[in-house]
Amino acid sequence: KQEVTQIPAALSVPEGENLVLNCSFTDSAIYNLQWFRQDPGKGLTSLLLIQSSQREQTSGRLNASLDKSSGRSTLYIAASQPGDSATYLCAVPTGIQETSGSRLTFGEGTQLTVNP
Amino acid sequence: GAVVSQHPSWVICKSGTSVKIECRSLDFQATTMFWYRQFPKQSLMLMATSNEGSKATYEQGVEKDKFLINHASLTLSTLTVTSAHPEDSSFYICSAWTGAQQYFGPGTRLTVT
Repeated sequence: KQEVTQIPAALSVPEGENLVLNCSFTDSAIYNLQWFRQDPGKGLTSLLLIQSSQREQTSGRLNASLDKSSGRSTLYIAASQPGDSATYLCAVPTGIQETSGSRLTFGEGTQLTVNP
Repeated sequence: GAVVSQHPSWVICKSGTSVKIECRSLDFQATTMFWYRQFPKQSLMLMATSNEGSKATYEQGVEKDKFLINHASLTLSTLTVTSAHPEDSSFYICSAWTGAQQYFGPGTRLTVT
């Protein structure tokens, strides 16, 4: 059974810092990995999707890397801003070789607070 | 981009009553939708997979007679919580599959008193 773990559970940083969020998964036979952002009481916003054949994806100040063999992914946020404050979730397809249209298993998230 | 809506955004109901939550894909057709539940300070847990025109597939431990799912059209799936109890109070989020990616709704906050 696929399990996803995120470290740290919470993180508080001053504005402007670069930071790294970590995600690990138990079954490395994944089709892809996604990072989401969730604001309090809201739904999910997809940030980055990395296919299994890719090692990283970038969008603006965000960079996500994927190391399938070690079962790890990192989300790097450069020059953090107060508006980045949210919970960040990573997710992988639940079953082996399932496609991105399938059920997702989520980590418990990292709650990020960026202080002005 | 693809938009998924949910209605209502929040609902309060009395214990023993039923409540229906709608999930709509606004600008695309979705043969598959998913329903997730999120308890406070916890992550999303998949409840069921909703397939248009067929019965939903429930995850282990989810009572199909309590959480009724109907996917009658390519743009609408509904989740009905029957005989709700306070422990059913949670944040319910749906997602819709475009054929290439999942898009999530804004969620529905259910409080059972």
